[in-house]
This record gives sequence, C-alpha cells and structure tokens, in this order.
Amino acid sequence: QQQVKQSPQSLIVQKGGISIINCAYENTAFDYFPWYQQFPGKGPALLIAIRPDVSEKKEGRFTISFNKSAKQFSLHIMDSQPGDSATYFCAASMKSGGSQGNLIFGKGTKLSVKP
Amino acid sequence: DGGITQSPKYLFRKEGQNVTLSCEQNLNHDAMYWYRQDPGQGLRLIYYSQIVNDFQKGDIAEGYSVSREKKESFPLTVTSAQKNPTAFYLCASSYYQDEQFFGPGTRLTVL
Repeated sequence: QQQVKQSPQSLIVQKGGISIINCAYENTAFDYFPWYQQFPGKGPALLIAIRPDVSEKKEGRFTISFNKSAKQFSLHIMDSQPGDSATYFCAASMKSGGSQGNLIFGKGTKLSVKP
Repeated sequence: DGGITQSPKYLFRKEGQNVTLSCEQNLNHDAMYWYRQDPGQGLRLIYYSQIVNDFQKGDIAEGYSVSREKKESFPLTVTSAQKNPTAFYLCASSYYQDEQFFGPGTRLTVL
C-alpha cells in the first residue's frame, strides 16, 4: 500500500515530441505528489509538484495531470528537448500524516530525447 | 551559497571496514534524510531526522547508523554489517513536512 508504481522504465522521444510518464499509488492518504529530475551522477532536483485538490498543474513545458479517483498522476513534457534527457522519479507523501513528509519514490523512468 | 554538500564524491571501502559519509546543509532546514539509490530501484530511505538529537529508521536501516548532533550535519556510517553497500548515497533536507532538496551524492564502492 506504500508503493508508487512508475512506468515506463525507459522512454525514447524525438525532439519536439511529448514525453509522458505515469505513476499509480494505492494509499489514499497521500496528499503530496512531486516529480524529480536527475542527471547522471547528480542528486535529484524537484521539477514540479501537485496536491490532490487540483487536477492539473503546469510550469513551462512541464505539466502534472492528477486523477484522484483512479489514484494516478502523470508528467507530460511538451516540446521535448535533448537537454531533458534524464531520469525522472515520481514520489508521494503524507504531509499531514504520521510519516511526517517521508517521500515514497517510484523506480524511475530514463528519458532519452533524440535530436 | 546555500545548499547541501556531501563528501566525499567517491569512496572506496574494503571488506569489513566502516566508512562515514558526510552531509552538511546551510539552509536552516529542520529535517534531514539519507537515501540509497541502486540502478532500477529508485530511492530508498535509510534514516531520517526531524530535529537535533533525534532520528528514525527508514525502510532499509540495517547495517547503517547515523547521528544528529548539530542541525547542519547528518553523517551516515556504513558499517561492516551492511553486506551489499555498493550504491549511490543521497542526502536531503527540508523544512518540516516541506519539499526535500538533495545533495550531489556520494558513490560508495566496495573493493
């Protein structure tokens, strides 16, 4: 029930295309859903995050779509660029719960954007 | 510059040795975390600390130990009891129940 399932494991997209990464969770107590971007040999960096009171959040070319009833959320990268090539992690936490904000991570998606 | 620093960047351990990974932050964050990252496994929580002189086990604490004597510092010791310590170790910090910021990581290799 604490798992966050992420798919696909890897993704290849042409430059200018749309990259879509999906995550699913079981625990309905999760109330914070961030996405992290990680380049090889570096620490993850927060990309964008959403709370379940909204169905979509957009920041530049990055959009999170959230479906509370299906317990799914996804990251869309519009106009994908070679510089977006990285590993992306979704995560979930209960900010108001007993785990005190501990993040549960998906296993990651390695995105390659071809020129 | 504010941020999280981890040292060393690369660390090599012989069988049976204990090694300590350093994590320092000057963001005035209350909480600090240690994660282990293995290929294809995502990030798994080792230990976390919400306040000074207090810390809690995460999902994979066996073979690891930590201390939190100062707000800015949260060192992780990988003991000889950890049978498969080769991994990328990430430290993070946050304000209480707020977004986590990660350090650059330490890559530990067992020789």
